[in-house]
Amino acid sequence: GAVVSQHPSRVICKSGTSVKIECRSLDFQATTMFWYRQFPKQSLMLMATSNEGSKATYEQGVEKDKFLINHASLTLSTLTVTSAHPEDSSFYICSASPANTEAFFGQGTRLTVV
Amino acid sequence: AQSVTQLDSQVPVFEEAPVELRCNYSSSVSVYLFWYVQYPNQGLQLLLKYLSGSTLVKGINGFEAEFNKSQTSFHLRKPSVHISDTAEYFCAVSDTGGFKTIFGAGTRLFVKA
Repeated sequence: GAVVSQHPSRVICKSGTSVKIECRSLDFQATTMFWYRQFPKQSLMLMATSNEGSKATYEQGVEKDKFLINHASLTLSTLTVTSAHPEDSSFYICSASPANTEAFFGQGTRLTVV
Repeated sequence: AQSVTQLDSQVPVFEEAPVELRCNYSSSVSVYLFWYVQYPNQGLQLLLKYLSGSTLVKGINGFEAEFNKSQTSFHLRKPSVHISDTAEYFCAVSDTGGFKTIFGAGTRLFVKA
């Protein structure tokens, strides 16, 4: 199957700093990627849809100025958590789909803000 | 828009007993259906998926699920569980075009010795 890779797998940052998470489709091109967030003991919630070459589409309640998404190429989307605070600590997962097949998920990034 | 309801938040079961984890979905368009397993502090692992064809889908680790369009259900079953099956299980649905995936709330399967 297709492979989606996330980096880093874990990151600890200080409150007030920004953190960038990368999502790459390794063996296919993806015009659309999705970003999800999972708080402890909860389900995965869709945050935003990343569109190559255009602005991301954010789900209701997700602050677009806090979670900056850039999809500059057909194989890379980045999520930047700006001015991170402890409440942003979460598990972030991306997904992408080769043409006409289902979504494939990255291995996730665990963000801890201290 | 799609939605997914997992009817049980927790399912305790004894080792070697059968188990069924229930999932219902709603959608106005054709969908793909998935079951994922998540072990503590790990990512998602795909157990099985229904894209088209046979409504009985077999997955990894002895799990299977049946797509029932009239009941809008996709229940997950395993005839004999092991301690190692203890994990969180997520049912998910996506449309067949953009592949935005919506997850259920999850069911924690707890297998007891």
